[in-house]
Amino acid sequence: GQNIDQPTEMTATEGAIVQINCTYQTSGFNGLFWYQQHAGEAPTFLSYNVLDGLEEKGRFSSFLSRSKGYSYLLLKELQMKDSASYLCAVGAVYGQNFVFGPGTRLSVLP
Amino acid sequence: DTEVTQTPKHLVMGMTNKKSLKCEQHMGHRAMYWYKQKAKKPPELMFVYSYEKLSINESVPSRFSPECPNSSLLNLHLHALQPEDSALYLCASTPVSGDSTDTQYFGPGTRLTVL
Repeated sequence: GQNIDQPTEMTATEGAIVQINCTYQTSGFNGLFWYQQHAGEAPTFLSYNVLDGLEEKGRFSSFLSRSKGYSYLLLKELQMKDSASYLCAVGAVYGQNFVFGPGTRLSVLP
Repeated sequence: DTEVTQTPKHLVMGMTNKKSLKCEQHMGHRAMYWYKQKAKKPPELMFVYSYEKLSINESVPSRFSPECPNSSLLNLHLHALQPEDSALYLCASTPVSGDSTDTQYFGPGTRLTVL
């Protein structure tokens, strides 16, 4: 089975740093994705981790520990436009299963 | 062209209507997906087409009928829907064969309301 967990909501201040956690238990694992989704819009790709460690991409970084079934997305120098839902998604090894977590709604306050 | 397009953007239909959603991509991607997303929930996978063949049907009711006429087009035919089917319907595509290592590119979605 597939079980992916994220905090439901987070709030942070403009200019701050926020870490959004994702834990997963899946029958297979072929990588973990992070997507950003603004209200009423399609998800947009942020990052992909398949090996343990940190991947940095500008203000966004994503970390993966496969042994712990754990990932986080780190957002630095928060901006108001970063207010959105952040979805982690796991690709399973078998078939073409691609399962989204429940998403974390991030609110950035001035 | 790195875009997935979907039409219409909004659709309102009655429970006895028949309508279709359309998705198109010209990136040469060979796998295409339909997702359903309710408000404040993550997208739920409905169907996957790989090389124009249906490879995954996530136990979706038969009132939803997918069709992949060619590698660039994906349709979702709707018939006798229920009000609880109202949602955002997202189309996505991936470059290779639908292996989950491929990044999914999403279209803007069709907001469907069933009255």
